[in-house]
Amino acid sequence: GAVVSQHPSWVICKSGTSVKIECRSLDFQATTMFWYRQFPKQSLMLMATSNEGSKATYEQGVEKDKFLINHASLTLSTLTVTSAHPEDSSFYICSASGPGRNTGELFFGEGSRLTVL
Amino acid sequence: AQKITQTQPGMFVQEKEAVTLDCTYDTSDPSYGLFWYKQPSSGEMIFLIYQGSYDQQNATEGRYSLNFQKARKSANLVISASQLGDSAMYFCTWRTSYDKVIFGPGTSLSVIP
Repeated sequence: GAVVSQHPSWVICKSGTSVKIECRSLDFQATTMFWYRQFPKQSLMLMATSNEGSKATYEQGVEKDKFLINHASLTLSTLTVTSAHPEDSSFYICSASGPGRNTGELFFGEGSRLTVL
Repeated sequence: AQKITQTQPGMFVQEKEAVTLDCTYDTSDPSYGLFWYKQPSSGEMIFLIYQGSYDQQNATEGRYSLNFQKARKSANLVISASQLGDSAMYFCTWRTSYDKVIFGPGTSLSVIP
């Protein structure tokens, strides 16, 4: 099946620094990618929808200037957490619509666990 | 508002037994897709099964089957012959128009040897 790779898997940073997370579709072109945030023992919360070549659409309550999303190509979307603070510590997961056999099927990255000290 | 409800925060099942995880959704859209994903402790999301809103038959994928009752807006996941490796979080997910995905709150399943 289609593969989505996310990097890095783990990242620890100091408060005030910025962290970039990459999401790549390895064997298909993803016109749309989604970014989620997940707190421990909770569900995935959609942060934004990223379309190639255009500005991301953010969900209500998600700070655009805090979570910068870029989708410059059909195989790469990035999420940059700017001036990270401890409350930004979370599990971030990306997904992409791909050529699955089911309509609307999403393929997920492995997730990135961010810890801000 | 469109939403998904999973009423069982946690479930236990004996190994080799069957278990049903509940999922109800609320939408007025005529066309949509329902997915179930499994998330083990490692964090990755694993696709299990899909049901399209126009599908006449209930979906099946190996040990997984979906009890789809469209009129009741219910899409329960049935896992037969539970295995220890089935212990994980299970999310019912609904998608329409390919532009947004809504996740249910999840059910934590523990398989007891």
